[in-house]
Amino acid sequence: KQEVTQIPAALSVPEGENLVLNCSFTDSAIYNLQWFRQDPGKGLTSLLLIQSSQREQTSGRLNASLDKSSGRSTLYIAASQPGDSATYLCAVSSSGTYKYIFGTGTRLKVLA
Amino acid sequence: DGGITQSPKYLFRKEGQNVTLSCEQNLNHDAMYWYRQDPGQGLRLIYYSQIVNDFQKGDIAEGYSVSREKKESFPLTVTSAQKNPTAFYLCASTPRPDSITEAFFGQGTRLTVV
Repeated sequence: KQEVTQIPAALSVPEGENLVLNCSFTDSAIYNLQWFRQDPGKGLTSLLLIQSSQREQTSGRLNASLDKSSGRSTLYIAASQPGDSATYLCAVSSSGTYKYIFGTGTRLKVLA
Repeated sequence: DGGITQSPKYLFRKEGQNVTLSCEQNLNHDAMYWYRQDPGQGLRLIYYSQIVNDFQKGDIAEGYSVSREKKESFPLTVTSAQKNPTAFYLCASTPRPDSITEAFFGQGTRLTVV
């Protein structure tokens, strides 16, 4: 059974710092992995989607990497800003299934 | 603009009452999903539908029911059999049912039992 873990559960950093959020999964037979952002009381916004054949994806200040063999993905945020404060969720889908398994998220606070 | 619309944003349910949450998408996506989110827990799948007039149970379907009569719409009914319905409910869609591609989410409905 696929399990997804995100560490740390919460993180506070000063503005301008580069940071890394971690996501680990137990079954390496994944189809893809997606990173989301969730603001309080809101829905999820897709940030990056990495197919199983890819190693990384980039969008602006965000870079996500995927290492299937070790069951890990990282989300790198460069030059963090207060507007980046939110909960970041990762989710994986496994081959042959039709659903995502979500981690519990990392709650990020960027201090001005 | 294309997207997913959930309504209402807030919903209050009395004990023993059934309530229906609305989810509409204009993305022309085939697959739609309902998730439940509780504090400190990841999203858990309630039901999903890959095509019109077809749907499957997710991990926590007990006490819930759905229908998929139109491609654009996937309403969720929370029945009186659901003993702990207070939660944040999220609807999502993906373009195709044969694989999981990028998922798009609505803004959620917060259901509270009073």
